[in-house]
Amino acid sequence: DTEVTQTPKHLVMGMTNKKSLKCEQHMGHRAMYWYKQKAKKPPELMFVYSYEKLSINESVPSRFSPECPNSSLLNLHLHALQPEDSALYLCASSSGEAGELFFGEGSRLTVL
Amino acid sequence: AQSVTQPDIHITVSEGASLELRCNYSYGATPYLFWYVQSPGQGLQLLLKYFSGDTLVQGIKGFEAEFKRSQSSFNLRKPSVHWSDAAEYFCAVGARQAGTALIFGKGTTLSVSS
Repeated sequence: DTEVTQTPKHLVMGMTNKKSLKCEQHMGHRAMYWYKQKAKKPPELMFVYSYEKLSINESVPSRFSPECPNSSLLNLHLHALQPEDSALYLCASSSGEAGELFFGEGSRLTVL
Repeated sequence: AQSVTQPDIHITVSEGASLELRCNYSYGATPYLFWYVQSPGQGLQLLLKYFSGDTLVQGIKGFEAEFKRSQSSFNLRKPSVHWSDAAEYFCAVGARQAGTALIFGKGTTLSVSS
């Protein structure tokens, strides 16, 4: 099993809503990542968890709140988002031994 | 500064023709280099990677890339392009350590004409 699974695939929310994006991997990877990607742009790093501890936070606004309940799960809690936060949110994992990141299919977020 | 440059924003290639996508990097340590492909609305799929050893690496879907340390380049090639290769291609550089973030280039959009 070499998959990173993200849910939901599509999410539409208002600026006052609270929602969460979920990511799961069962490859035994100890690092998990959230990236944000706008159309025709490269992924932008948001957060990195290494061994279930937040190791990198790229100055992301507090309306995005990551959570790593265990080594297989990664959540991104969303609250009071702005329309400019509409994007594809990608989760990835890495074992560290080989360096590469394994990406999920992404969650397409639209903020109205 | 660590960076990845993909000089070509958009390339159009005829189906069956050869392809080369350029990538140059700047990285302080020994680089680990990757090429990812992304179809519209999809996640990123790893095409190939270079860590050490043979500087010509083979990947999936008939792609290969050559690492040239003297030119700080890691160009992606394919001898014969198929229409299904139309996608966004990202070059990335990173380190061999869990929790290290990859640095991505801005990407090259490949269009395939019939």
